[in-house]
Amino acid sequence: GENVEQHPSTLSVQEGDSAVIKCTYSDSASNYFPWYKQELGKGPQLIIDIRSNVGEKKDQRIAVTLNKTAKHFSLHITETQPEDSAVYFCAATSFGNEKLTFGTGTRLTIIP
Amino acid sequence: EAGVVQSPRYKIIEKKQPVAFWCNPISGHNTLYWYLQNLGQGPELLIRYENEEAVDDSQLPKDRFSAERLKGVDSTLKIQPAELGDSAVYLCASSLGSRGETQYFGPGTRLLVL
Repeated sequence: GENVEQHPSTLSVQEGDSAVIKCTYSDSASNYFPWYKQELGKGPQLIIDIRSNVGEKKDQRIAVTLNKTAKHFSLHITETQPEDSAVYFCAATSFGNEKLTFGTGTRLTIIP
Repeated sequence: EAGVVQSPRYKIIEKKQPVAFWCNPISGHNTLYWYLQNLGQGPELLIRYENEEAVDDSQLPKDRFSAERLKGVDSTLKIQPAELGDSAVYLCASSLGSRGETQYFGPGTRLLVL
């Protein structure tokens, strides 16, 4: 089955700086890669996703890049703000499998 | 539009007691998921429903866990009897369909087994 590895497990950045979280996956058939943000006491909330037919997707301060050859994808947050502090999870799945496999999470702390 | 609703939000029980969690998915979402999230880990799928049919329950510990989705809308996840190791967050999610559709999560039920 699919295996998703996520790094780093914790990340602290100064407010206004950029943050990058990286994930690798094992199943070459995976073709859908969502990113979720989970705040304390809440369920995961989708912040951005990417499908295998594109290499990059951007939504305001958040972007995701995908390298299918290397089987890795990354989340980029620019101009970080205190409200970006949370745990971020990457995930992967494929049509026909329909099982979303999550990474182990990255705790992002924005230092004011 | 209302999101995924779960209740209760918190539950504390003694080991060997039964417990049940309830989920109401987003209106119109045919696919419903139950996930288990241990502390410091990502969610792990327990069971997936397509309407009222459980199409993937391979990760559900069937000796003590059971689930149902009558009428293809609300769902209930039950544990009987609960064990200390069942302490975790139980998340419900829903999606329009299952073929690469976005999954929307509820707030979860935090279970503590004493």
